[in-house]
Amino acid sequence: AQSVTQLGSHVSVSEGALVLLRCNYSSSVPPYLFWYVQYPNQGLQLLLKYTSAATLVKGINGFEAEFKKSETSFHLTKPSAHMSDAAEYFCAVSDFAGANNLFFGTGTRLTVIP
Amino acid sequence: GAVVSQHPSRVICKSGTSVKIECRSLDFQATTMFWYRQFPKQSLMLMATSNEGSKATYEQGVEKDKFLINHASLTLSTLTVTSAHPEDSSFYICSASMRGAGTGELFFGEGSRLTVL
Repeated sequence: AQSVTQLGSHVSVSEGALVLLRCNYSSSVPPYLFWYVQYPNQGLQLLLKYTSAATLVKGINGFEAEFKKSETSFHLTKPSAHMSDAAEYFCAVSDFAGANNLFFGTGTRLTVIP
Repeated sequence: GAVVSQHPSRVICKSGTSVKIECRSLDFQATTMFWYRQFPKQSLMLMATSNEGSKATYEQGVEKDKFLINHASLTLSTLTVTSAHPEDSSFYICSASMRGAGTGELFFGEGSRLTVL
């Protein structure tokens, strides 16, 4: 079975500061891992995904995440936060068995302080 | 890129009426579509999985007679909330997996906010 834990339901950073959103996964098979962003009253947009290629994955809007098998982690980072990064971020793990279902974390709300 | 569109984006209805939400994959064939419900400030809860031409598979605790799902074609799935009540008010999101894609990536619609008065 797959599951995802996102530590910190709410993260606040100053504009220009480092963004770090934490995600730990549990999976009995090699996982596919995703980060999605959700702006208010909108659906989810894919930021980046890990699909067993490079462990450091670069996504859109300057975000990146590193897959660390030893730590079962897939933390999301961005060197310098922008006001437009304020949103809800969800980490998700996919069922490798092919069901294409996603198991979501509970989300982390990012606030960027001017 | 793959686009999934939901309609309507917002709907307000009276208690006891039924509401239909459409989910369309605009530029690809979707083998499977998923319906989620999202409560305020919470994550997405999977309600059901639907495959084209077959009955939907509902998650535990989801009333299949309340939330009717039809997946008539490879590009369209509909969710009908029957006899809606205020507690059904929520943000409903669909997603679709692309036929032939094996990475597990899903493409999400913009969501539909249902308000039942």
